[in-house]
Amino acid sequence: GAVVSQHPSWVICKSGTSVKIECRSLDFQATTMFWYRQFPKQSLMLMATSNEGSKATYEQGVEKDKFLINHASLTLSTLTVTSAHPEDSSFYICSATFPFSGREGPSTDTQYFGPGTRLTVL
Amino acid sequence: GQNIDQPTEMTATEGAIVQINCTYQTSGFNGLFWYQQHAGEAPTFLSYNVLDGLEEKGRFSSFLSRSKGYSYLLLKELQMKDSASYLCAVLDSNYQLIWGAGTKLIIKP
Repeated sequence: GAVVSQHPSWVICKSGTSVKIECRSLDFQATTMFWYRQFPKQSLMLMATSNEGSKATYEQGVEKDKFLINHASLTLSTLTVTSAHPEDSSFYICSATFPFSGREGPSTDTQYFGPGTRLTVL
Repeated sequence: GQNIDQPTEMTATEGAIVQINCTYQTSGFNGLFWYQQHAGEAPTFLSYNVLDGLEEKGRFSSFLSRSKGYSYLLLKELQMKDSASYLCAVLDSNYQLIWGAGTKLIIKP
């Protein structure tokens, strides 16, 4: 089945540094990649939608200059948390989609998730 | 506004059956997903429903009623490893996923 990887799995950094997280679709070409953030005991929060070769679309309240997204190819998207602060500590998860057809229904995209990256900013 | 409701927590016994409900109010509907998420891990895809009815996949089944804005995930022959959060998500008219807060399922021996 569809496999999505993330690197690193976890990272600890000092306040003010930048951290890059990679998301790769290993056995398919992803039309779209999504970046989520999840705080403890809370639901996934969509941060941005990324299409290969175009600028990412950020959700309201997400600072695009702080969370830089680059979607260089159909199999790789990166999220860079710039000048990280302790409040940025969270579980960052990416997902990738490719066309999926439901039973006698319109085709749509199923999201397959990477394993997540746990970021701790000291 | 858009809203997905599911119970916060449920408890069931190993070997039993449990049904997790999800009701939704969204701008448009292009399908409903169920995901399983173990603590500290990313969600994994369980099922997708776009037409009314029951979809069965092994021990897990998912049901949809579009007229009622309602879905449920049915888990049979519960195992301890089924202890996880179960997330309901709806694809709206803009093909954006709207997520529920998740139902934490606790399985007791």
